[in-house]
Amino acid sequence: DAGITQSPRHKVTETGTPVTLRCHQTENHRYMYWYRQDPGHGLRLIHYSYGVKDTDKGEVSDGYSVSRSKTEDFLLTLESATSSQTSVYFCAISGAGVTSYEQYFGPGTRLTVT
Amino acid sequence: DQQVKQNSPSLSVQEGRISILNCDYTNSMFDYFLWYKKYPAEGPTFLISISSIKDKNEDGRFTVFLNKSAKHLSLHIVPSQPGDSAVYFCAALGNTNAGKSTFGDGTTLTVKP
Repeated sequence: DAGITQSPRHKVTETGTPVTLRCHQTENHRYMYWYRQDPGHGLRLIHYSYGVKDTDKGEVSDGYSVSRSKTEDFLLTLESATSSQTSVYFCAISGAGVTSYEQYFGPGTRLTVT
Repeated sequence: DQQVKQNSPSLSVQEGRISILNCDYTNSMFDYFLWYKKYPAEGPTFLISISSIKDKNEDGRFTVFLNKSAKHLSLHIVPSQPGDSAVYFCAALGNTNAGKSTFGDGTTLTVKP
């Protein structure tokens, strides 16, 4: 299994509070991604990174920011959490070369915003 | 506009029979396609992929077929086993997408013993 961990695994927070989710990899993969999964919507890309300090927006980036100061860590921040951000968040990584298209996912973080 | 569609939210098959999961796409720039499997409370795991230069790729009980003219791919599982019960996501990307995949909404497969 690819070495990807996410923390925390579960979090309950109140509307308006900031929240940071962490993704950590031990595979030295170049690309990292944050997705959210909601019923009936599959996996939707929030932000992704193609290198240290190189990030870009995905299809549902409003209300989220990211940072990648080291190859192994990719942080997702909700500056002011809203109930619509209640979801399961998955981090994924992919490498370079012939297997670069395959993504390896972390176990997910279940976030509830009350 | 959803570029990758899995029109069947769920599928139920008997153990030992064939499971066929379908996926349609609209973006002609997609040239690589993947299937992922997801169990409850776990992250998705890569299952099988196919490049647009091929029309079939096989890995054990799993075969993916690609029909480029119809912009359609399918995943065949033969024989189906109860442990195959999971959500299956189809994904697609182009070679200029920095590895970004576009996912379908998933199909929940239930294999009954």
